[in-house]
Amino acid sequence: SQQGEEDPQALSIQEGENATMNCSYKTSINNLQWYRQNSGRGLVHLILIRSNEREKHSGRLRVTLDTSKKSSSLLITASRAADTASYFCATDSVHAAGNKLTFGGGTRVLVKP
Amino acid sequence: DSGVTQTPKHLITATGQRVTLRCSPRSGDLSVYWYQQSLDQGLQFLIQYYNGEERAKGNILERFSAQQFPDLHSELNLSSLELGDSALYFCASSPARGNTIYFGEGSWLTVV
Repeated sequence: SQQGEEDPQALSIQEGENATMNCSYKTSINNLQWYRQNSGRGLVHLILIRSNEREKHSGRLRVTLDTSKKSSSLLITASRAADTASYFCATDSVHAAGNKLTFGGGTRVLVKP
Repeated sequence: DSGVTQTPKHLITATGQRVTLRCSPRSGDLSVYWYQQSLDQGLQFLIQYYNGEERAKGNILERFSAQQFPDLHSELNLSSLELGDSALYFCASSPARGNTIYFGEGSWLTVV
């Protein structure tokens, strides 16, 4: 089962524009992590945000977390063609045994040059 | 490079066969996770080990088994393979709960 659901499923933007994608989840979490995956490649970790944090930045990435709405957003500013990838949110649920991550279906981002 | 190493990167095998996927976690990481990624099921958690012991189990088929060895490397064994087992299998590792989980590049399994 998928804990997180990303929205939109696909996004097409021009180079230089910002890209925003959202993630909703169902249960209380310890943390939420965002990953990037280039086609058929490994998952690259982008940002971890803990349940007591509301916003984090890393370079051109900004992640917000609203635990009252059980949602998170990932903003990529000044996008580049190299940002073309699928982006996944993953949650570490407080109710889960161990600390496995449950992934959403991902947002496919296409940045056109 | 995440520091998580998976072998083999690609393998093709026939239905009914058995394969073993190997994972070396990042230096010092005690937790190892296995995930399966397929087009229809997305990223599915299979199993987690922590310092040699099974910590959590997900949607892992009875035909699949895993273990973590004293040196902390892990193996995922897939047997009686079916066409539907064709997928990208990821190993990931982390030092402890609440930390970033780092993924390897995956092992592409094609069952023909």
